[in-house]
Amino acid sequence: QKEVEQNSGPLSVPEGAIASLNCTYSDRVSQSFFWYRQYSGKSPELIMSIYSNGDKEDGRFTAQLNKASQYVSLLIRDSQPSDSATYLCAVNQGDNDMRFGAGTRLTVKP
Amino acid sequence: NAGVTQTPKFQVLKTGQSMTLQCAQDMNHNSMYWYRQDPGMGLRLIYYSASEGTTDKGEVPNGYNVSRLNKREFSLRLESAAPSQTSVYFCASSWTGDSYYGYTFGSGTRLTVV
Repeated sequence: QKEVEQNSGPLSVPEGAIASLNCTYSDRVSQSFFWYRQYSGKSPELIMSIYSNGDKEDGRFTAQLNKASQYVSLLIRDSQPSDSATYLCAVNQGDNDMRFGAGTRLTVKP
Repeated sequence: NAGVTQTPKFQVLKTGQSMTLQCAQDMNHNSMYWYRQDPGMGLRLIYYSASEGTTDKGEVPNGYNVSRLNKREFSLRLESAAPSQTSVYFCASSWTGDSYYGYTFGSGTRLTVV
């Protein structure tokens, strides 16, 4: 059983649309949640972190956390072709135990 | 500011050969990590070091050893490489204290074992 699950995609959205990426996790005691963006052939780059239930906004990105449902999401507003990448969900289960999902590949079409 | 620096970027080994991957960070982070990334499996933790002088096994430690040389440097050694160790390896660092923060990753090492 995978600890962090994401739809592998590919998710395709038109330029200017909202992209919605979802993630579920299995460990109920997890307290720290992260989204990373990884361009093809590059390393993961941290784009959002969220620690409490609700929404957290940073520019065009909004992270949403629902601990009761064990669900984390990332919304990208006004999607741009430069947002095309794989997005990794990560959940810290405590004691330096960060678990990553396999990632969702997003394509934004001009 | 360099962040996390990994060397080498690419490496081809023959089965049974050994090598060491080097990692250094200049952000004064206390924790450092080695991950491998394989298609469809995401990032998996090999070893981590929560502070200078300590190391702990992660999810997939078999066939690897690590050394936390000082606060800045954390190396990963393959003693006898196997084809199953063909992967992309990432070093990462983070500050951990009362809470856990996101990681800064190095640029990665693409390793092929033939």
